[in-house]
Amino acid sequence: EIVMTQSPATLSVSPGERATLSCRASQSVGDNLAWYQQRPGQAPRLLIYGASTRVTDVPARFIGSGSGTEFTLTISSLQSEDFALYYCQQYNNWPPLTFGGGTKVEIK
Amino acid sequence: EVQLVESGGGLVQPGGSLRLSCAASGFTFSTYWMSWVRQAPGKGLEWVANIKQDGSVRYYVDSVRGRVTISRDDAKNSLYLQMNSLRGDDTAVYFCARGGKYGRVIDFWGQGTLVTVSS
Repeated sequence: EIVMTQSPATLSVSPGERATLSCRASQSVGDNLAWYQQRPGQAPRLLIYGASTRVTDVPARFIGSGSGTEFTLTISSLQSEDFALYYCQQYNNWPPLTFGGGTKVEIK
Repeated sequence: EVQLVESGGGLVQPGGSLRLSCAASGFTFSTYWMSWVRQAPGKGLEWVANIKQDGSVRYYVDSVRGRVTISRDDAKNSLYLQMNSLRGDDTAVYFCARGGKYGRVIDFWGQGTLVTVSS
């Protein structure tokens, strides 16, 4: 099973600033990585797949990068609606599909 | 508009059973893999199971294999999760989720149904 590790667990950022979230895989997953956003009390929402491809209607300020074992989600200028939990998920070697533990982006 | 609406959650005693349902609409259900993903209170996401378009392939996470069965009824646009021998660590919100054409990326999620296992 591939273990996904996200850091930091919590990221405190001021509105308008950049947020950088990290995701590491225990072995290479190529570019078979997705990012999800979960706002409080809501279901998760797919943001990015293939490590860097944004889903339709996801703002351009969300940028996914990386391959192999190291991945990054950058939110270039945080808006109020971006304060949420973010999860990465690998789909290179499955089952099982595995998620990281999440990063909470909170208002500084 | 794509919709996934879960039902069937509730309070159940340890060792008990529960059947979750998910009603899908707004897309061609039969052409998608479907998944169940759960989230324990205050915890992260855990994939539970998924099922291929024709039901011929089903996968489970190790912690539920042998206790849980995923199934689908394409005529009713519905997904199910039969859960038996429930334990306290099965307590979670269970999300019905659309798994794309290949089962790998979850491209749409329902709002979830809460399962609480407690005496």
